[in-house]
Amino acid sequence: GAVVSQHPSRVICKSGTSVKIECRSLDFQATTMFWYRQFPKQSLMLMATSNEGSKATYEQGVEKDKFLINHASLTLSTLTVTSAHPEDSSFYICSARAPGTSFPYSGNTIYFGEGSWLTVV
Amino acid sequence: KQEVTQIPAALSVPEGENLVLNCSFTDSAIYNLQWFRQDPGKGLTSLLLIQSSQREQTSGRLNASLDKSSGRSTLYIAASQPGDSATYLCAVCGMETSGSRLTFGEGTQLTVNP
Repeated sequence: GAVVSQHPSRVICKSGTSVKIECRSLDFQATTMFWYRQFPKQSLMLMATSNEGSKATYEQGVEKDKFLINHASLTLSTLTVTSAHPEDSSFYICSARAPGTSFPYSGNTIYFGEGSWLTVV
Repeated sequence: KQEVTQIPAALSVPEGENLVLNCSFTDSAIYNLQWFRQDPGKGLTSLLLIQSSQREQTSGRLNASLDKSSGRSTLYIAASQPGDSATYLCAVCGMETSGSRLTFGEGTQLTVNP
């Protein structure tokens, strides 16, 4: 079946540095990818919707200058956390919508990556 | 704003027991509802998707129902096994943003004891 891969699975960075997380759809082209953040014991919160070839749509309260999203190809979206701080430490998960579904009426086949643990020290 | 609530937050059962997980949502204007499984420190695996026009979906030992008018869904797990231990998340795909957002509940952490 369809697979979405995230890299790295775990990353530790120093406060003030930037870190990039990649999300790849391995066997399908994804025009739309989604980035979520999940704090321990909490639910997933959508951060932004990433559309190939255009600017990402950010959810209210998410700083677009801090969380840079690039969706330069149909199989790759990246999330860059700039000037990271300890409060940015979280589990970041991406998802991709598989093609061939006439969304939303015949389905909404979305596949999730394995997630990336970010720890800012 | 859509809100999704899952009850209970945690559940521990002996192996072989049948169990029900509950999900409620505040805005019935949804396209569909999905149940996911999340293992510790891992991503999500989609279990079942119910379209807004459907009442239930079944996959193996799993059965999910949807009552859109009352804003409720249940996930029934038959003959539970230790391998079912995970966090189960309910998510609705809402119409308020043309379906671009999945709103998740906080999950039910299930432990099935051998």
